[in-house]
Amino acid sequence: QKEVEQNSGPLSVPEGAIASLNCTYSDRGSQSFFWYRQYSGKSPELIMFIYSNGDKEDGRFTAQLNKASQYVSLLIRDSQPSDSATYLCAVILYNFNKFYFGSGTKLNVKP
Amino acid sequence: EADIYQTPRYLVIGTGKKITLECSQTMGHDKMYWYQQDPGMELHLIHYSYGVNSTEKGDLSSESTVSRIRTEHFPLTLESARPSHTSQYLCASKDTAANYGYTFGSGTRLTVV
Repeated sequence: QKEVEQNSGPLSVPEGAIASLNCTYSDRGSQSFFWYRQYSGKSPELIMFIYSNGDKEDGRFTAQLNKASQYVSLLIRDSQPSDSATYLCAVILYNFNKFYFGSGTKLNVKP
Repeated sequence: EADIYQTPRYLVIGTGKKITLECSQTMGHDKMYWYQQDPGMELHLIHYSYGVNSTEKGDLSSESTVSRIRTEHFPLTLESARPSHTSQYLCASKDTAANYGYTFGSGTRLTVV
């Protein structure tokens, strides 16, 4: 079983819609959770992190964490074509040293 | 403004050559990592370091080696490049605090012909 699971997609949404990206993790010792965006041919860039149950909002992005269900999600409101990218979920365990990445979900935002 | 630098950005090299991919960071991070990523595929951890003179192999077996003689520098070396080494190599560093994510370099895209 992989540490972090994501649906590979592609997830297609129309411009202006809400995109919902999901991630599950297997280790209940996971402490912090991160969402990275990766454009084709580029390196990943951090867009959000969350470590407490509930919602965390930053602009058009909302991260949601449910530790009981071992589930993390990222909502992108008012999706733009520039949001089209692969979104990587990552978790870090109690030793704070190493990340485990999901395989990523490819998002296409259609104009 | 990038605080972690990788060179070269692109490299095409012949089979059997020795190559070193450079990675340097100016943030004073103790922890540094090398990932390998094929186009459209997931990240695979190949090496990591928790400080000077500390190096470990990652989850994906790799024929490369690394060294960590200075905090800011974490080069990756392939003694004899092969076409199977063609990939993108990403270097990352991390602050000790759990709530800070990795900072990635811009990557080196390696092609072995």
